[in-house]
Amino acid sequence: KAGVTQTPRYLIKTRGQQVTLSCSPISGHRSVSWYQQTPGQGLQFLFEYFSETQRNKGNFPGRFSGRQFSNSRSEMNVSTLELGDSALYLCASSLQDTGKDTQYFGPGTRLTVL
Amino acid sequence: AQSVTQPDIHITVSEGASLELRCNYSYGATPYLFWYVQSPGQGLQLLLKYFSGDTLVQGIKGFEAEFKRSQSSFNLRKPSVHWSDAAEYFCAVGTYSSASKIIFGSGTRLSIRP
Repeated sequence: KAGVTQTPRYLIKTRGQQVTLSCSPISGHRSVSWYQQTPGQGLQFLFEYFSETQRNKGNFPGRFSGRQFSNSRSEMNVSTLELGDSALYLCASSLQDTGKDTQYFGPGTRLTVL
Repeated sequence: AQSVTQPDIHITVSEGASLELRCNYSYGATPYLFWYVQSPGQGLQLLLKYFSGDTLVQGIKGFEAEFKRSQSSFNLRKPSVHWSDAAEYFCAVGTYSSASKIIFGSGTRLSIRP
């Protein structure tokens, strides 16, 4: 079974632009979560989608948004990019959305904002 | 609210030596505990998890962890490390309610001395 895939793997943008990242979960998984990883803040939870509905949201500004499609694929969007948005964005999928469901992570998208 | 502390930022051990990475958590109820490993440029891979039952948990790659409720700890151990174990290790605590409501520690970077 294929793992979680994320595209693109690397992205360079300039301040003020917007960006869309894509995540394809493991086949059959219905929950997709997004995390931001930076050297200073570590791994921080952005949001989670389950069956096309946002279930949980972390403490990030409204510039960060996401959605999930009927095939469970998910996208996250960051508008009006800031330098501080440079990070590794990780997507994780799980079968369901209970605490016992293991999250499987993709390789991440490395976003650099210049 | 749950929290995780990994007191060691960086550890260096010799190849073939034993390893113990420390993790302390704070959570009001019985926690779900995880150890993940991240190699450079990669996503996170689950090493092992604890939900309930036997407090000594076996994981992949020869790792094990022991849940000690009295000490609020979930330390990761390996009897003999290999050069390929060099990576960043994250302890995480989750809740029963959601797979995504997981709090990660700040990570411990493991270096292996030849």
